[in-house]
Amino acid sequence: AQTVTQSQPEMSVQEAETVTLSCTYDTSENNYYLFWYKQPPSRQMILVIRQEAYKQQNATENRFSVNFQKAAKSFSLKISDSQLGDTAMYFCAFMNGRLTGGGNKLTFGTGTQLKVEL
Amino acid sequence: DAGVIQSPRHEVTEMGQEVTLRCKPISGHDYLFWYRQTMMRGLELLIYFNNNVPIDDSGMPEDRFSAKMPNASFSTLKIQPSEPRDSAVYFCASSQGPRNTEAFFGQGTRLTVV
Repeated sequence: AQTVTQSQPEMSVQEAETVTLSCTYDTSENNYYLFWYKQPPSRQMILVIRQEAYKQQNATENRFSVNFQKAAKSFSLKISDSQLGDTAMYFCAFMNGRLTGGGNKLTFGTGTQLKVEL
Repeated sequence: DAGVIQSPRHEVTEMGQEVTLRCKPISGHDYLFWYRQTMMRGLELLIYFNNNVPIDDSGMPEDRFSAKMPNASFSTLKIQPSEPRDSAVYFCASSQGPRNTEAFFGQGTRLTVV
C-alpha cells in the first residue's frame, strides 16, 4: 500500500514571498503520478499541478512548481510570488499508474494549511 | 460542462435516520469516486466505480454504507442507519480513464448527524 506524508500541518508566508510545502511518499510501484490539490475555504478541491513519475523534468504551472526527487520519494511544491488567494489547505496525493488493481484512485496526505499574510 | 454536481450541499439528520447523498459526474467520465473527509482521518477513499461497476469498496467503513451507480450520469451513497461518527464532508469525484488521470471533484456534502 502507498502512503503519503506531509509533515507540516501549518505554514505561513508573506505576500509576494516564496514558500515550499513538503511531501514524501512510499511505494513499490515504478509507474505512478503525483499531485498537489488545493482546498480553499469554499471546500472545493482544485488540482494545482501534476507530475508523472517517468518524467525527469519538474512540472510547472505559472507560479507553482514542484521539486520531484524520485530516488528520495520526495515531491515538494514551491509557490512563488504568494498571493492572498493562495491561502488554503494543500494536499499531496499519489496515484499508481496501473490500468487495473487500483489505478486511478488517489491516496492523500494529511494536508498543510497555508496562510498568506499581508 | 457544469462539473461534478453533488446534492445536497449540507445535510443535518438525526441519529438512526437514513441519509442519501447524490452525485452527477462529468459527462464522458468513466470513473467515479466517493471520498470522505474528516479532521481525524483526512481524505479517504470509500469506493470507486468504473463504467458503473463497483471496482473497489474496501474503504466502505461498515455495512451501514452502500453505494450505487445505476447509470453513467448518477450515483448515490447511502448511510442507513446514520450515526454521529458519520459526520464528515463527503466528496464525489470523476475522471476519464484509464490514461487521463485528473480527478475533478464536486463541492462536497457536509453531513452532520446529531
